[in-house]
Amino acid sequence: EVQLLESGGGLVQPGGSLRLSCAASGFTFNNNAMSWVRQAPGKGLEWVSAISGSGGVTYFSDSVKGRFTISRDNSRNTVYLQMKSLRADDTAVYYCAKVVSVDYFDHWGQGTLVTVSS
Amino acid sequence: SYELTQPPSVSVSPGQTARITCSGDALPKQYVYWYQQKPGQAPVLIVYKDIERPSGIPERFSGSTSGTTVTLTVSGVQAEDEADYYCQTAVTGDTYVVFGGGTKLTVL
Repeated sequence: EVQLLESGGGLVQPGGSLRLSCAASGFTFNNNAMSWVRQAPGKGLEWVSAISGSGGVTYFSDSVKGRFTISRDNSRNTVYLQMKSLRADDTAVYYCAKVVSVDYFDHWGQGTLVTVSS
Repeated sequence: SYELTQPPSVSVSPGQTARITCSGDALPKQYVYWYQQKPGQAPVLIVYKDIERPSGIPERFSGSTSGTTVTLTVSGVQAEDEADYYCQTAVTGDTYVVFGGGTKLTVL
């Protein structure tokens, strides 16, 4: 059974940093790209970032480019999202998702809440 | 930037058919994927590659496509189908993934 477990969310001040983790199990981790998708309170889904199975290729949405980085440790079956220069509009539930064929997401974690507020 | 357009809401009575549309200029050349999200829960993939259904998804959920519009059809709607539904596609270039704005399906 595929399981994705996010952690690292919490309350952070504007301008601060936070690192999210997503521990994966139940599939061959290094064979799959992974992605982060967020959802602001009461709003829709917004894709944030993705990383290839090897970790050599990364993608970012325009809204986080230059502030967020994505990485993975295939020995630990874990993907990370390092967030810097956080703003109030980064407040959201952040979901980790397993990518299929570079195109879509067949499994999602339960999400971790990030709140950016003073 | 590329956009997918969905109606904000659709309402149907139990047992009726609900149709949720998703429009985008590049859709004739791109697959569309549909997710169901119930309150407080993570999204769940219910249709992939326009018309395919993952194992475990009820047959009442189906996808179809016509030109620049794809449609998620829920036949014989049940109360448990009340949820938000999102379409999604993948695009080349920097954007990578785009979601529609979501449609709230209300079962009257």
